[in-house]
Amino acid sequence: LAKTTQPISMDSYEGQEVNITCSHNNIATNDYITWYQQFPSQGPRFIIQGYKTKVTNEVASLFIPADRKSSTLSLPRVSLSDTAVYYCLVGEDTGGFKTIFGAGTRLFVKA
Amino acid sequence: DVKVTQSSRYLVKRTGEKVFLECVQDMDHENMFWYRQDPGLGLRLIYFSYDVKMKEKGDIPEGYSVSREKKERFSLILESASTNQTSMYLCASSLYLEGGETQYFGPGTRLLVL
Repeated sequence: LAKTTQPISMDSYEGQEVNITCSHNNIATNDYITWYQQFPSQGPRFIIQGYKTKVTNEVASLFIPADRKSSTLSLPRVSLSDTAVYYCLVGEDTGGFKTIFGAGTRLFVKA
Repeated sequence: DVKVTQSSRYLVKRTGEKVFLECVQDMDHENMFWYRQDPGLGLRLIYFSYDVKMKEKGDIPEGYSVSREKKERFSLILESASTNQTSMYLCASSLYLEGGETQYFGPGTRLLVL
């Protein structure tokens, strides 16, 4: 299973775009990349997922370069309520797999 | 909406007690997971199950066992609770579709072992 590395913490201001990069040098061909968000005293919540190139939904965008050794979660115009821990996961595209949550990135959005 | 419920939000037990944590999901998901979360360590997988009566060890299974007698229910058992098992326990179920898996988490159980 590919290990992920992401910054421990980041600070931002309301209204700014935030980009959180995750490194996964050992990603395998069948692995996909998933990001989760966790607020205090709650379970993680799915944000976005992708295999290649760019994926966008109503919450975020996920940029994956051609070599797939890293990925970047982009949160447009963050607000105070985006203060949370963000986890990057890399998992196999097979049933019965295990995915690994790292320590995540603690994003703190200031007014 | 997918709903994953856990039997307790907060639990206080004494060392040596047998502890049962229950998790129920209502979306007919095949996979279910138990994690523990400790400050600075992120989520660590204890056990997961990909079918009824099937289970596989995660990264930290020592001191824990699981039971999955019905598809919607996945139980975590601490045979003899110890203080180092004080933690937040999170249950999840997952849906696997083309393009990958999405995990849905319960609210968590904060367990204190005295």
